[in-house]
Amino acid sequence: SQQGEEDPQALSIQEGENATMNCSYKTSINNLQWYRQNSGRGLVHLILIRSNEREKHSGRLRVTLDTSKKSSSLLITASRAADTASYFCATDERGGADGLTFGKGTHLIIQP
Amino acid sequence: DGGITQSPKYLFRKEGQNVTLSCEQNLNHDAMYWYRQDPGQGLRLIYYSQIVNDFQKGDIAEGYSVSREKKESFPLTVTSAQKNPTAFYLCASSIGQGRRGETQYFGPGTRLLVL
Repeated sequence: SQQGEEDPQALSIQEGENATMNCSYKTSINNLQWYRQNSGRGLVHLILIRSNEREKHSGRLRVTLDTSKKSSSLLITASRAADTASYFCATDERGGADGLTFGKGTHLIIQP
Repeated sequence: DGGITQSPKYLFRKEGQNVTLSCEQNLNHDAMYWYRQDPGQGLRLIYYSQIVNDFQKGDIAEGYSVSREKKESFPLTVTSAQKNPTAFYLCASSIGQGRRGETQYFGPGTRLLVL
């Protein structure tokens, strides 16, 4: 079953603006990951944040994790048209190497 | 050129027919996974395998079968028992070896359509 839930389901912003999307989960985790999916393609790993980390940066991406609230946010700064995609959070709520639990995703549209 | 490949890109199934989706990886990963994605939805785990000759059911295994005879290959068969097979199927792999929450590497996907 889907444990992670992204919010909002869809987001449309102007190029150059910042985009923020959120993810909530239900049980304890070792880490949380964010993936991007372009239309009709496979998922691409963006960033992983461990449960003992609160914030992580990678280029124009900033991820935060609040384990007390069981939530994470992904911030994309200075958005570009090429950032148009669906973004998914994934957690290791299953345990072991038993696969990740994905949310339903946030569809981000960057208007030129 | 390391990576994970899936074929075909599009697959058409007739009623009552079994079809097999291919997934191959040359990343030397132990673990492999199959997910199903429906329009506007997240990924749901069908089957996964941590080592050769072993695999486990995921959340929606009914109507599907897999095999893991080689480390590099993890084919998925959609059987006639799967009444609603139209979906986008994604294969993934990770280093495995029991590590929790590893990064997964995805193939480009196969879109299955029912005629």
